[in-house]
Amino acid sequence: GQNIDQPTEMTATEGAIVQINCTYQTSGFNGLFWYQQHAGEAPTFLSYNVLDGLEEKGRFSSFLSRSKGYSYLLLKELQMKDSASYLCAVREGPYGTDKLIFGTGTRLQVFP
Amino acid sequence: SQTIHQWPATLVQPVGSPLSLECTVEGTSNPNLYWYRQAAGRGLQLLFYSVGIGQISSEVPQNLSASRPQDRQFILSSKKLLLSDSGFYLCAWSVRQDQETQYFGPGTRLLVL
Repeated sequence: GQNIDQPTEMTATEGAIVQINCTYQTSGFNGLFWYQQHAGEAPTFLSYNVLDGLEEKGRFSSFLSRSKGYSYLLLKELQMKDSASYLCAVREGPYGTDKLIFGTGTRLQVFP
Repeated sequence: SQTIHQWPATLVQPVGSPLSLECTVEGTSNPNLYWYRQAAGRGLQLLFYSVGIGQISSEVPQNLSASRPQDRQFILSSKKLLLSDSGFYLCAWSVRQDQETQYFGPGTRLLVL
């Protein structure tokens, strides 16, 4: 079966660092995505991992361990505008398909 | 640059009425196109995807249907809406190559009363 788990809610303080975890169990794996979604808006792409390791993009970094079925999104120097939901999504195999399985998202609230 | 449009932005419809949501993509050719639904408190659920004109794959059984009459146009329809069809409908596109990112449109918020 397919299962993607993320914490439902997290809170953090402006300027701090927060790590949002995602674990997955899927019948195949062909990449993991993180999206940001502000309330009432569409998701926007943040990062993509297909190989193990850390991908850094400015204040945001994403890590993947395929053997553990685990990823995290790391947000540094938090700003108020980072308050949003963060969606973890796995692209299942077979190679060549483009279907994403989404978690329910983690709602992050940043306080001053 | 590529852009994706959806309309209408919001819609309130009575139960049993028909539905037609439209999605168009500009600035790219031969995209993969997707329809997702996001119900309150739930994750994004893939409803349909299309790899070309007239080619539609359905992911979940439902009273919705999709059509792709043109390369960059994707339509979501229903003949009779149910209360459970309420939600946030998102269209997405990706380049038709492996391991490409999906980009979402602004969405249509549908409320069925």
